[in-house]
Amino acid sequence: DTGVSQDPRHKITKRGQNVTFRCDPISEHNRLYWYRQTLGQGPEFLTYFQNEAQLEKSRLLSDRFSAERPKGSFSTLEIQRTEQGDSAMYLCASSSGLAGVDDQYFGPGTRLLVL
Amino acid sequence: EDQVTQSPEALRLQEGESSSLNCSYTVSGLRGLFWYRQDPGKGPEFLFTLYSAGEEKEKERLKATLTKKESFLHITAPKPEDSATYLCAVRGSGTYKYIFGTGTRLKVLA
Repeated sequence: DTGVSQDPRHKITKRGQNVTFRCDPISEHNRLYWYRQTLGQGPEFLTYFQNEAQLEKSRLLSDRFSAERPKGSFSTLEIQRTEQGDSAMYLCASSSGLAGVDDQYFGPGTRLLVL
Repeated sequence: EDQVTQSPEALRLQEGESSSLNCSYTVSGLRGLFWYRQDPGKGPEFLFTLYSAGEEKEKERLKATLTKKESFLHITAPKPEDSATYLCAVRGSGTYKYIFGTGTRLKVLA
């Protein structure tokens, strides 16, 4: 079990550019989550996948954000036309999906800086 | 709306000085309450899940308890390596959304 991995770990981009982040969950975990965390705050839920289906999405999520999990394994989060307010740590987490087990395991995060 | 409030915001303890962190919550049908530890620049590390009032879980110097309105994370005889931010989260029924508090920053002095 290698844990949740995220790539890249750091990203610096200019305002208006598009960025894409990748998350590889723990193998055989069918639940995958994306969060955003800013300094001094707790993680803020962005979206949830069960296998390849995106079942829940935050109402706060701008149309510039999109996420996919095409084969029910890894996931990507894309931000189009980045803004300075998008600067944050983007966290991915996975859980097994077993009945009665809701333990969630996080990756190391991708830190995004928009100049 | 589901909400989580953690207190205190920050806590400084001497090594060996036991204390408790509080997590107050409002949620529609608690599906689970979760505690995490987060070190600077890293992702949260899972500690405990509690599902019903009265439940308790322990791990080394940490013990988590749950009532219908709040949860406590008790730290017994802390060591400097326990210094971190401790996050609490809840998940309500009918949703997969986890709501996090802003955390308690714990500093344990040698």
